[in-house]
Amino acid sequence: DQQVKQNSPSLSVQEGRISILNCDYTNSMFDYFLWYKKYPAEGPTFLISISSIKDKNEDGRFTVFLNKSAKHLSLHIVPSQPGDSAVYFCAFGNSGNTPLVFGKGTRLSVIA
Amino acid sequence: DTEVTQTPKHLVMGMTNKKSLKCEQHMGHRAMYWYKQKAKKPPELMFVYSYEKLSINESVPSRFSPECPNSSLLNLHLHALQPEDSALYLCASSQEGNRDRADGYTFGSGTRLTVV
Repeated sequence: DQQVKQNSPSLSVQEGRISILNCDYTNSMFDYFLWYKKYPAEGPTFLISISSIKDKNEDGRFTVFLNKSAKHLSLHIVPSQPGDSAVYFCAFGNSGNTPLVFGKGTRLSVIA
Repeated sequence: DTEVTQTPKHLVMGMTNKKSLKCEQHMGHRAMYWYKQKAKKPPELMFVYSYEKLSINESVPSRFSPECPNSSLLNLHLHALQPEDSALYLCASSQEGNRDRADGYTFGSGTRLTVV
């Protein structure tokens, strides 16, 4: 039972343009939503999150959008920079303190 | 201190060896996790400790044995591993019982394990 789908394994974007990463989910019990960034040989690092009571959260160049009716989560990075090149995982949780569920990851390459 | 520290960073072990991975955090987090990550895959949950008690074991083979000596430390004891157990082993911690989970988990940098 795949609760989370992160269907794009990779994405290439020109420096300065917008990067859009997407995840879809099926479990309506999820009520907080996160994005993690991972460089090679390092652990995932928390990037940005959103709770189910919001549809948008912005932090600098990073904006997370939540469409609850479509069960869709996205991350926008603008402008994209070469240092943003990494694997991005979406993660989903609920207030029952059950462990986070991770997507499969999208490898973002920002080309100078 | 907002970090999760894992040691060693790299480990090569034979199939008959016994070794341990260590994880430490001083953020007062009462939930600690072991994840296993293979290349091009998401982190795969192995164990969860809540208030120093094992709360979740995701059907992990007994050659992996977790231990939580106190609220700041988490160990993973390894014995008689197989080459297919080679992976990045990640430790994470989080606040327990706190419903404002805005920052999710804090991950360590991982131990890159190679079983030969």
